[in-house]
Amino acid sequence: DSGVTQTPKHLITATGQRVTLRCSPRSGDLSVYWYQQSLDQGLQFLIQYYNGEERAKGNILERFSAQQFPDLHSELNLSSLELGDSALYFCASSGPKPLPLHFGNGTRLTVT
Amino acid sequence: AQTVTQSQPEMSVQEAETVTLSCTYDTSENNYYLFWYKQPPSRQMILVIRQEAYKQQNATENRFSVNFQKAAKSFSLKISDSQLGDTAMYFCAFMKHEEGNAGNMLTFGGGTRLMVKP
Repeated sequence: DSGVTQTPKHLITATGQRVTLRCSPRSGDLSVYWYQQSLDQGLQFLIQYYNGEERAKGNILERFSAQQFPDLHSELNLSSLELGDSALYFCASSGPKPLPLHFGNGTRLTVT
Repeated sequence: AQTVTQSQPEMSVQEAETVTLSCTYDTSENNYYLFWYKQPPSRQMILVIRQEAYKQQNATENRFSVNFQKAAKSFSLKISDSQLGDTAMYFCAFMKHEEGNAGNMLTFGGGTRLMVKP
């Protein structure tokens, strides 16, 4: 068990809808990273937060947004969903140093 | 920007044999980390092994070892005495060393699907 909790495990929704994925980092970790794993794009970095502040941005679509709350949990919001957004979304945490990095078990999103 | 390439989409090996997975990367950074992650059918991301670029000695974790060639930008994974439980996707990943906590994201290769046959 990595100590990183992602909810829900599975999510099925329709095109055009909006969903929120939640991540609780490992106790004591300050950084949260979001990654997307899709058949088309492979595994790619979306965004990083550190202690509530955005620290780095990757290939995150404008329809996607994220935040990290004072209790350090993070939420990834995906809106105007398209079929191509179907993917496994991973959250990882670390900190105060970048390593070691701990991955959650992912949220599988299916857009129909 | 960094890129990571895994040129073998699929590989197979007989149980108890040895297999080597290839990875090359491109970067202008001098300080970085390299990783191999295993993703079994359960979809978890499991760290197999990690290498710091400043260390010349190749990392080893039990049956897993790497051949790190910094000049050639090559980072291969050797699995000895392969077991059925080693069947999984294997991802090579790069992280540049940043002071502080910004920009320490992983760049992944496309993965190699390894099948261990009984």
